[in-house]
Amino acid sequence: EAEVAQSPRYKITEKSQAVAFWCDPISGHATLYWYRQILGQGPELLVQFQDESVVDDSQLPKDRFSAERLKGVDSTLKIQPAELGDSAMYLCASSRDSAAQETQYFGPGTRLLVL
Amino acid sequence: AQSVTQPDIHITVSEGASLELRCNYSYGATPYLFWYVQSPGQGLQLLLKYFSGDTLVQGIKGFEAEFKRSQSSFNLRKPSVHWSDAAEYFCAAAGGGADGLTFGKGTHLIIQP
Repeated sequence: EAEVAQSPRYKITEKSQAVAFWCDPISGHATLYWYRQILGQGPELLVQFQDESVVDDSQLPKDRFSAERLKGVDSTLKIQPAELGDSAMYLCASSRDSAAQETQYFGPGTRLLVL
Repeated sequence: AQSVTQPDIHITVSEGASLELRCNYSYGATPYLFWYVQSPGQGLQLLLKYFSGDTLVQGIKGFEAEFKRSQSSFNLRKPSVHWSDAAEYFCAAAGGGADGLTFGKGTHLIIQP
């Protein structure tokens, strides 16, 4: 069964450093999402891609976060500089298309700890 | 604003007992509704989803959920829980022009032997 891949699984960094997370969606899925899940909370959408285009990044802190999906396949989420409050689980999900009823399939996540 | 509420942060159930996890939503129109489960260190796995039609939805692992429009609820149920059901359960909604999922804060399920 196809899965969403994410790396690294864990990342420890110091504040003010740069970090990057990678996501490879299920093959053929046009829509890719990045969510942030703070401990004890539900995931919150950061950015949504349709193919290589950003559809929604209204909740992405653009002063320090950036996301790209250059060829419409895999994606990278970057934080520069990292802050203590960025410690969280970063989840990637993909779906066949952007319709609201489409099932989103989640990767295992990258757990980030900022010291 | 669109929101999903899971009133119970923690629930403890004895193995073999029945389970009901509550979920309420606040949306302009009836959203699409989902239940996901998250085991420690894992991503989220879809249990079931509701779009329209029959208000009782069957999912994987013996779970079901009932949509009640009058109560704006989508509660998850299981007639007999197993120790392996211990996990975090998230109710989520989508629709109203925003395609990303809006999640509740989750309910942590503890299974007593």
